[in-house]
Amino acid sequence: AQSVTQPDIHITVSEGASLELRCNYSYGATPYLFWYVQSPGQGLQLLLKYFSGDTLVQGIKGFEAEFKRSQSSFNLRKPSVHWSDAAEYFCAVAPYSGAGSYQLTFGKGTKLSVIP
Amino acid sequence: KAGVTQTPRYLIKTRGQQVTLSCSPISGHRSVSWYQQTPGQGLQFLFEYFSETQRNKGNFPGRFSGRQFSNSRSEMNVSTLELGDSALYLCASSSGLAGRTDTQYFGPGTRLTVL
Repeated sequence: AQSVTQPDIHITVSEGASLELRCNYSYGATPYLFWYVQSPGQGLQLLLKYFSGDTLVQGIKGFEAEFKRSQSSFNLRKPSVHWSDAAEYFCAVAPYSGAGSYQLTFGKGTKLSVIP
Repeated sequence: KAGVTQTPRYLIKTRGQQVTLSCSPISGHRSVSWYQQTPGQGLQFLFEYFSETQRNKGNFPGRFSGRQFSNSRSEMNVSTLELGDSALYLCASSSGLAGRTDTQYFGPGTRLTVL
């Protein structure tokens, strides 16, 4: 069974500083990979996704993520954090089947706090 | 396009009651998946419906059930509520079509509190 590890439960950064959120997955093959963000009391918003191809993926709100097969990692980065980025971030994986049906397996999330 | 909508947004029930939650997917999407989010267990997959058929199921007891209608709207039902069922229930829609690199788009969730 696949699993996702987000080692950092809570990260605090200063506004304008760079950010990297870590995500490691366990799966027998290359899965679909996603990053979602959740603001308090809200649903999940997709930041970016990796299916195949270029291992550096650009997303919304200035985020990017890099897939490293050798490390089974899909870390999320942002060069300069804004106060509005304070939220909880979830890494998720889904098996690649091409059958149209998949279930997402989520990490436990990383809560990001931003100091003005 | 309108996003995924879920109703109601908040519910308070007591133990032993049953509850029905509703989800309307993005127009054109035929797959609806349900997830439960709790502080202890995080986000867990409940089940997925496609073209009115349950296509995938997570590891939840039979008290959790769902259905999908011909217009792709979906409902989930929880019978004999327990305190541990208090959670944010999220639904996600996608095209669900084979051969597509698909993405699940989430609704705002229904916050269920069981007293």
